[in-house]
Amino acid sequence: DTGVSQDPRHKITKRGQNVTFRCDPISEHNRLYWYRQTLGQGPEFLTYFQNEAQLEKSRLLSDRFSAERPKGSFSTLEIQRTEQGDSAMYLCASSLAKDTEAFFGQGTRLTVV
Amino acid sequence: RKEVEQDPGPFNVPEGATVAFNCTYSNSASQSFFWYRQDCRKEPKLLMSVYSSGNEDGRFTAQLNRASQYISLLIRDSKLSDSATYLCVVNKEPGNQFYFGTGTSLTVIP
Repeated sequence: DTGVSQDPRHKITKRGQNVTFRCDPISEHNRLYWYRQTLGQGPEFLTYFQNEAQLEKSRLLSDRFSAERPKGSFSTLEIQRTEQGDSAMYLCASSLAKDTEAFFGQGTRLTVV
Repeated sequence: RKEVEQDPGPFNVPEGATVAFNCTYSNSASQSFFWYRQDCRKEPKLLMSVYSSGNEDGRFTAQLNRASQYISLLIRDSKLSDSATYLCVVNKEPGNQFYFGTGTSLTVIP
């Protein structure tokens, strides 16, 4: 399967714990995006990378959130000191170039209890 | 004001009906426009890009009106399998990331 893959698919964690998600984009895609989606809402932009450079971060991304793409390939999204409000689907997407369509992974569903 | 606004619906239509969705965007500098489809608890999948001249893909037609800053999606001869949420997507500005609408829910009824 050469699509975008995300790991894990589901994560249940206790409030206050740290979690890390991984995204492997389509191999030739140099743009990688992170979005968050809650029930009944469209995906909300969190951050994006062009190769290893993080070009923009949303105001939604508090200082508890950090994302990296160290070698311009896979990316990680870490949430420190999780809160119940962090419960959501975290979606990763990649695109070949700017302004071209993005392809999504199946997402990581986070539940903070 | 939200960057992308859609009527959330729900739209409940009988099989064979024609249904249209509209979406408005706030940034006149936006250059790329798409419609995505999202099934329940699944990831969004690209339905079609939207071009300035309008474009058609089978039963689906997308149109762009830059002057009024809106995008439309027309589905003809609705099928049960068209039931999903349809997301309007616009880039923030050329070369930048994408904003999604909240989605419009469609249910096609037998």
